[in-house]
Amino acid sequence: DSGVTQTPKHLITATGQRVTLRCSPRSGDLSVYWYQQSLDQGLQFLIQYYNGEERAKGNILERFSAQQFPDLHSELNLSSLELGDSALYFCASSVASRGRAFFGQGTRLTVV
Amino acid sequence: DAKTTQPPSMDCAEGRAANLPCNHSTISGNEYVYWYRQIHSQGPQYIIHGLKNNETNEMASLIITEDRKSSTLILPHATLRDTAVYYCIVEGGYSTLTFGKGTMLLVSP
Repeated sequence: DSGVTQTPKHLITATGQRVTLRCSPRSGDLSVYWYQQSLDQGLQFLIQYYNGEERAKGNILERFSAQQFPDLHSELNLSSLELGDSALYFCASSVASRGRAFFGQGTRLTVV
Repeated sequence: DAKTTQPPSMDCAEGRAANLPCNHSTISGNEYVYWYRQIHSQGPQYIIHGLKNNETNEMASLIITEDRKSSTLILPHATLRDTAVYYCIVEGGYSTLTFGKGTMLLVSP
């Protein structure tokens, strides 16, 4: 158990819909990362927050957005979902803005 | 971000040492080398990291060349449960934790 909690574990939704994925970092960790892993793309870095502020941005689509709340949990919002958004979404956390990261077990999103 | 190059796949016999290479020729002075692994579709797991000195922990050893342009992750006695994708990542400065394609290590009986 990494200490990073992601909910829900599985999510099935229809095209065009909007979903929210939630991540609770390890106690004391200030940084949260989001990754997308689909079969043909590997682990793609989406975005990183550090203590509530966006720190780094990767290949995150405009239809996707994220935020980190004052209690340090984070949410990834995916809207206007397409079949190609079906993937595993991982959250990770670390104490500082970089360094050893701990990953959650992921949310498997299926868009039908 | 500094890029890394890893072989796409490697095989290892159970009980033998697995040596996984990584090239990171554009690494800069304040960047660390990190190794993670991902077993099937589980969340990636941290293994070890280092800056310039060799490092060892309960899971593995990390050997970094003197010029820091390459490194080797060593699993001293590979088991079937070590079958996974191993990622070598350079992180630090303004770079963040970016995964490449990694090396698929298959440990066979």
